[in-house]
Amino acid sequence: GDSVTQMEGPVTLSEEAFLTINCTYTATGYPSLFWYVQYPGEGLQLLLKATKADDKGSNKGFEATYRKETTSFHLEKGSVQVSDSAVYFCALTYYNNNDMRFGAGTRLTVKP
Amino acid sequence: DAGVTQSPTHLIKTRGQQVTLRCSPKSGHDTVSWYQQALGQGPQFIFQYYEEEERQRGNFPDRFSGHQFPNYSSELNVNALLLGDSALYLCASSFTGGIDEQYFGPGTRLTVT
Repeated sequence: GDSVTQMEGPVTLSEEAFLTINCTYTATGYPSLFWYVQYPGEGLQLLLKATKADDKGSNKGFEATYRKETTSFHLEKGSVQVSDSAVYFCALTYYNNNDMRFGAGTRLTVKP
Repeated sequence: DAGVTQSPTHLIKTRGQQVTLRCSPKSGHDTVSWYQQALGQGPQFIFQYYEEEERQRGNFPDRFSGHQFPNYSSELNVNALLLGDSALYLCASSFTGGIDEQYFGPGTRLTVT
């Protein structure tokens, strides 16, 4: 079935470092792809999304490009801050399908 | 504007018992989805309620049931609790069934002993 695989964490970076969190997916069709972020003690928040191949989602300095040829949706940020410390989830779903599939999450810690 | 709220925050139950979790959607939302998040895992879709009916269900047994009220709030019921039901239960709300812009609550942490 459809699934999402994320790079294992935890990831620890120094402030202002470059961030990449890998996400690949297995899908029978053409899903929409999402990145969610979960700060400590809070619910998941939508960070960005892309609905078709070659779309780039971006928000708060984070970017991810929907790559159909490599079935990937890697999350990147050029310069991380301590406030970016959180757990990041990659997810997919289809139009008119409410069964959103999530990866296991990647914990990011940014040190000053 | 209140976001998605869930109650209780934490809950401890014994195997075989039944539990009810509650969710109030974000103002203006009419659709509620429930997810189970085991420790160290991503959320798993349980089911979605829209117009007071279960619209779609994930791969969960019938021990998991739900309800949506006319004010769009929702309950998740789990019968005959198993140790494996210990998890964070997340509620997410959205508008008119779409989940592209769903908002999550902070979750209810259920521990089954």
